[in-house]
Amino acid sequence: GAVVSQHPSRVICKSGTSVKIECRSLDFQATTMFWYRQFPKKSLMLMATSNEGSKATYEQGVEKDKFLINHASLTLSTLTVTSAHPEDSSFYICSASFGLAGSDTQYFGPGTRLTVL
Amino acid sequence: AQKITQTQPGMFVQEKEAVTLDCTYDTSDPSYGLFWYKQPSSGEMIFLIYQGSYDQQNATEGRYSLNFQKARKSANLVISASQLGDSAMYFCAMSVGGTSYGKLTFGQGTILTVHP
Repeated sequence: GAVVSQHPSRVICKSGTSVKIECRSLDFQATTMFWYRQFPKKSLMLMATSNEGSKATYEQGVEKDKFLINHASLTLSTLTVTSAHPEDSSFYICSASFGLAGSDTQYFGPGTRLTVL
Repeated sequence: AQKITQTQPGMFVQEKEAVTLDCTYDTSDPSYGLFWYKQPSSGEMIFLIYQGSYDQQNATEGRYSLNFQKARKSANLVISASQLGDSAMYFCAMSVGGTSYGKLTFGQGTILTVHP
């Protein structure tokens, strides 16, 4: 299957700092990337949809200014958690899709565990 | 709005036995896709199987099969000959067409434990 990588896999930061998470599709060009957030033993909640070259579309309740998403190329999307606070601690997962029509498969990155002290 | 429901928080199965994980869905869009993902303790999401709403036959992928009952809006995952490595969290998910194309809505998940 297609490979999606995320970096870093784990990050610990102090409250008030910003953290950038990278999501890369390694062997295909991803027209769309998605960012999810997952709390322990809970389901994945979609945060935003990222399309290359355009602004991200955020889900209701997700703060655009706090979770900055940039999709600079067809293989890279970044999520920046600005002024992180302990409540932002979570597992962040990206996925990439390259389908043109229909409901195509998304391939997920390995996730990034963010801990804000 | 789309909704996915997994009513089994946890399931137990004996090694080499088959197990069915339940999933029901709700959408008014006639075009949709149903997915099952496995999430081991490492956290990665592993794609298992896909069923399109217009597919006539149930999807199968090795030991995984999807029991698609459109009228009942159910998409249960059947794992045959369970292995210890199948112990993980399993998520059912749905994607619909239109402006929501590609966005996945996930169920609550089912933790499967395979006993030796």
